Amino acid sequence: QVQLHEAGPGRVKPAETLSLTCSVSGGSVNGYDWSWIRQPPGKGLEWIGQINHSGGTTYNPSLKSRLTVAVDTSKNQISLKLYSVSAADTAVYFCARLQAGYYDAFDLWGQGTVVSVSS
Amino acid sequence: DIQMTQSPSSLSASVGDRVTITCRASQSITTYLSWYQQRPGKAPKLLIYGTSSLPNGVPSRFSGRGSGTDFTLSISSLQREDFAIYYCQQTYSAPYTFGPGTRLEIK
Repeated sequence: QVQLHEAGPGRVKPAETLSLTCSVSGGSVNGYDWSWIRQPPGKGLEWIGQINHSGGTTYNPSLKSRLTVAVDTSKNQISLKLYSVSAADTAVYFCARLQAGYYDAFDLWGQGTVVSVSS
Repeated sequence: DIQMTQSPSSLSASVGDRVTITCRASQSITTYLSWYQQRPGKAPKLLIYGTSSLPNGVPSRFSGRGSGTDFTLSISSLQREDFAIYYCQQTYSAPYTFGPGTRLEIK
């Protein structure tokens, strides 16, 4: 059974870079598209960006200038780097798998990792 | 960007009730509409994809309808575990936007 597990620093200082990883177990990163989604405390879901099965990336325009999403096939991981963070980036960050056969719905989610931006 | 709205924002109902949640897109998304259920402290769970299809394991009391800009999620006979927040999402074009959510509470 495929599972996703996000990992991160928990706390990041303003203006620094947030680095997260999403580890895929029980399956391969290859052949799928992967997305990052975040949820600020008490709020709704925001799609951050994705990397497709060919390595191409698509980012939310609101974050595009500060964002890098990548895949490391040797580690079976997807990564996210968000630069110059502020308090507005405080959220639970989820990774998810896009299922092409499901109209690109997100059929598999990690449990999420909490990120707090504070000094 | 395609904007997604949902109504109502919250809903109180009893076990056994039938409820319907509406989702509207700011432009046509054909049938690229998904619904997710999120329980407190948990990740969202895919309930419906392609407007009306259920993934394996999702109970048949959940159903979806619509096309273009107007969509609905219905739950035919509420169970206690259905009380949660429900989000719609379009995957027609990036950025893949979510609706603001509908909180379903026990009456």
